[in-house]
Amino acid sequence: DAGITQSPRHKVTETGTPVTLRCHQTENHRYMYWYRQDPGHGLRLIHYSYGVKDTDKGEVSDGYSVSRSKTEDFLLTLESATSSQTSVYFCAISLAGGNTIYFGEGSWLTVV
Amino acid sequence: AQKVTQAQTEISVVEKEDVTLDCVYETRDTTYYLFWYKQPPSGELVFLIRRNSFDEQNEISGRYSWNFQKSTSSFNFTITASQVVDSAVYFCALSESTGNQFYFGTGTSLTVIP
Repeated sequence: DAGITQSPRHKVTETGTPVTLRCHQTENHRYMYWYRQDPGHGLRLIHYSYGVKDTDKGEVSDGYSVSRSKTEDFLLTLESATSSQTSVYFCAISLAGGNTIYFGEGSWLTVV
Repeated sequence: AQKVTQAQTEISVVEKEDVTLDCVYETRDTTYYLFWYKQPPSGELVFLIRRNSFDEQNEISGRYSWNFQKSTSSFNFTITASQVVDSAVYFCALSESTGNQFYFGTGTSLTVIP
């Protein structure tokens, strides 16, 4: 158990609505990541954080924003959800760059 | 450019057969880290192994073994005497010392047939 909690675990939302996914960790790890997993694409990085209020974009950041106001929480927001954002979202944490990353259980998001 | 390539999309083997999952990576860093993760049908991502670029020794853990070859930029994963519980999607990943990102391959789906 890597001490990572994602919420909600499952959500169905309508196109155009805002959605926020929360990742909470109890490990006090510096790095936190948001990935999405889609068939044929594997895991793709959306955004990551290397400290409180320090975030950077990954390869598929368009349409997503993040915030990290506390070490333990990393929020992923879809400002206006689209059907292409239907996916499984994984949060991950890492003690430092190059260290092993540990994943949360995933959040299944369906945009209809 | 794809930094991690897992050319095998799907593999099926009969129980007790050995199977090797291929992983080829690309990096210009001299210091980097390679990983394997397992994703069983239940969906969670489970860490299996981490190797750094300076350690080319093969690793064995029970029925699992890993062959790291810098000369071919490969980090292959072999399961000996496969079991049904090995059925999962396996991901190879790379982390470079110069960045904070992990790069994942697209995964290999392994099905072990009883």
